[in-house]
Amino acid sequence: ILNVEQSPQSLHVQEGDSTNFTCSFPSSNFYALHWYRWETAKSPEALFVMTLNGDEKKKGRISATLNTKEGYSYLYIKGSQPEDSATYLCASFYNQGGKLIFGQGTELSVKP
Amino acid sequence: DAGVIQSPRHEVTEMGQEVTLRCKPISGHNSLFWYRQTMMRGLELLIYFNNNVPIDDSGMPEDRFSAKMPNASFSTLKIQPSEPRDSAVYFCASSVRLGRTSGNTIYFGEGSWLTVV
Repeated sequence: ILNVEQSPQSLHVQEGDSTNFTCSFPSSNFYALHWYRWETAKSPEALFVMTLNGDEKKKGRISATLNTKEGYSYLYIKGSQPEDSATYLCASFYNQGGKLIFGQGTELSVKP
Repeated sequence: DAGVIQSPRHEVTEMGQEVTLRCKPISGHNSLFWYRQTMMRGLELLIYFNNNVPIDDSGMPEDRFSAKMPNASFSTLKIQPSEPRDSAVYFCASSVRLGRTSGNTIYFGEGSWLTVV
């Protein structure tokens, strides 16, 4: 069974705080790791796709790293803003029929 | 460009009725996914198609669920008969075929919010 785990489940921070959360995934047959941002009542939007061990991606104040050997990825948000409030999903893509398996998400709430 | 288009956006139906959810993927995308989002299980993959062919339907909960993709621009997810526990948001998503070197993302529709009473 392919299981993608995210932690924490939810996070409440103050505006200006930096924060990070974790995605853990089985490393065998791993192909790619996706991060998505999902606001309530909207559809998930892609943030990053990473494939290589040691990959680092950055978009504005948000960045992500990937360790394929130990099976984890971190998402960092620097100087959180209220508009960052959303659920952040990671998904792992495997060479087993081409499945993209999502974690349960980390729900981030940023208070002004 | 139009994104992934789903219909209906919201549906309330009575237990036992047939429900059909529709999806139009982004033109040129050859992979299509149906996901279901619930509080308990998060975003779970129900079925996906490559080039209109169902590749993996192991996530389909039971025989009451069926999905078809008669052509590259249309897919349906049908529930017959529907039950209250089917209430969820059903997302359709599409991508250029996911692969190791492509790094392609998948693009989600806005979801179909189903309530079965």
